[in-house]
Amino acid sequence: EVQLVESGGGLIQPGGSLRLSCAATGLTFSTYWMHWVRQVPGKGLVWVSAISGDGSETMIADSVTGRFTISRDNAENTLLLQMNSLRGEDTAIYYCVRDFFGYLDIWGQGTMVTVSS
Amino acid sequence: EIVLTQSPATLSLSPGERATLSCRASQSVSSYLAWFQQTPGQAPRLLIYAASNRATGIPARFSGSGSGTDFTLTISSLEPEDFAVYYCQQRNSWPWTFGQGTKVEIK
Repeated sequence: EVQLVESGGGLIQPGGSLRLSCAATGLTFSTYWMHWVRQVPGKGLVWVSAISGDGSETMIADSVTGRFTISRDNAENTLLLQMNSLRGEDTAIYYCVRDFFGYLDIWGQGTMVTVSS
Repeated sequence: EIVLTQSPATLSLSPGERATLSCRASQSVSSYLAWFQQTPGQAPRLLIYAASNRATGIPARFSGSGSGTDFTLTISSLEPEDFAVYYCQQRNSWPWTFGQGTKVEIK
């Protein structure tokens, strides 16, 4: 069974940094593009960033470009999201998602990030 | 950026009724459209991919149609577990975008 488990969320002050991790099991991790999608509780879904299986290609939303960096460690089956210069509008649940031939088929349960002083 | 507009925002129906949800794209996304279901406190679940293909384990009462800019998700006969929020999402071009969601609530 494929499982994605996010960690690293928490309360952080504006301007601070946080690194999210997603541990993947039950799949050949390096063969899949992976994504981060976020959601303000009670609101809609917003795509944040994506990375190719070998890590050579990345895509990122304009709203976080220059502040967030996606990466992966295929030896450890882990997806990462480095978040710097955090703002209140970054407060959300962050989901790690597998990309199966271009579709977001497996989602983690999410990790909550709260940016507040 | 491609904007996806879902309608209606809320659909009030009774169990056993048919639900028809719409998703309109600001420009063509070909058939590169997916539908997701989200229940409270849960992560989204992929229902339909490539506009009309059911994902693994999705019941046959869920169907998708459309191409280009107009898409429809139909639930033929609502079961109690189908009352949820539904999102469409395009993968035709970066950035990938989602619609704002349609809530299907019990009438």
